This record gives sequence, structure tokens and C-alpha cells, in this order.
Amino acid sequence: GQQLNQSPQSMFIQEGEDVSMNCTSSSIFNTWLWYKQEPGEGPVLLIALYKAGELTSNGRLTAQFGITRKDSFLNISASIPSDVGIYFCAGRTSGTYKYIFGTGTRLKVLA
Amino acid sequence: NAGVTQTPKFQVLKTGQSMTLQCAQDMNHNSMYWYRQDPGMGLRLIYYSASEGTTDKGEVPNGYNVSRLNKREFSLRLESAAPSQTSVYFCASSATGTASYEQYFGPGTRLTVT
Repeated sequence: GQQLNQSPQSMFIQEGEDVSMNCTSSSIFNTWLWYKQEPGEGPVLLIALYKAGELTSNGRLTAQFGITRKDSFLNISASIPSDVGIYFCAGRTSGTYKYIFGTGTRLKVLA
Repeated sequence: NAGVTQTPKFQVLKTGQSMTLQCAQDMNHNSMYWYRQDPGMGLRLIYYSASEGTTDKGEVPNGYNVSRLNKREFSLRLESAAPSQTSVYFCASSATGTASYEQYFGPGTRLTVT
């Protein structure tokens, strides 16, 4: 089945560093969602994006809806140990209730 | 406000056994979804229900059946479990039909089929 290309697959960073990750698709999306998942838990919604070019923040997290509508970006500023987890993107095309998920970016923060 | 709840949290089945995974949401959402999550595969849609009374197949429906019991509840049934169905199962819901298509997940059911 179709999946989004999410990169990088994993990141090891030092506490205090900024983080960037992205998702790309061959399809045009109307909605992008970004989630964080911790071990043994369900994904938690971080940010929702609805318009091309939209930039939305949630604390130290900022996500952007790409102007081509085929990509999205998530940035985490000044990372802290509790940022550890897997970050997923999800996209929805027009006229459907279904989302397609990326394979995730595994983030590890070294104190 | 509990959001999306799932039962059971863990389950071990023998090949050929059947079971039903339960999901309920208290957010008055129209749409509900069942996903499975396998290592390195992300989340794959099994079935979804756009609204009460409707269900549709997702990407990986074989071996599963669903029931949208009412607006709150959406169950997933494995009629004859196979080892390939060992996975973590997540239920989700969203308020489709409005300006928001945000999707919220439950805590998951970890299923092992031996």
C-alpha cells in the first residue's frame, strides 16, 4: 500500500540541539498531521495543518505544510530528554476520511 | 473525558482462536478506524467507519471483520487468528464532516498469536 516517505529514519542528537524531519508524498494532500509515540503508548497528536504554506507551532515544535502540498516538515527546537520517541506524519487527500502514515522518525536525545 | 479507550490491553491467542477487540470514544466523533502497527511498517489501516452504519475496507482487511455498534463503539474481530496477525492494534476516531479532521488514537492492544 501507499506510504509516505519520512526522513530521517532515526536521529541521535545532543540535548539542546534543534531537530528537523520531513515527509514527502507523490499525492497532493489536504491535511497533514504530526504525531509522537512513546514506547507502549498510542500516537499522540502534536500538530494539524490544513493549508499550503501554513506554519503552526506547539511549544518548541513547529510544523509546516509544504507549498506543493506534497510535503510537510517538523522542527523541534532546543531538544530535551523527554522529546525521545517516534514521530509520525500522516496525510489525507481530498474526498477521503483515510490517512496515510509515514514509517516514522525515531529520535534519541543524549543528555 | 477519556478520549479513545481500548480493551483488552494485552492478549495472547492460539492459532485458530477468535476474539473481539473493543473500542469506544466519548468525543462524539463521526468516524472511527482500526490500524495495526508492525515494526518498520508504520500504521496500516485495516477497516474504517466514516459514520455510524457504514464500514469500509482499508489497506489490510483480510482476516478481520468489524462492527460499528453505535456512534461510540467500533469493534474488530479476528475469526481465526494466525501468527501473521501478531501486532499492536490501534483504534482511532475523528470528527469528519467538520473543519477538523484531527484523528485521535487509543492506547492500543498488544496481540500475540502463537
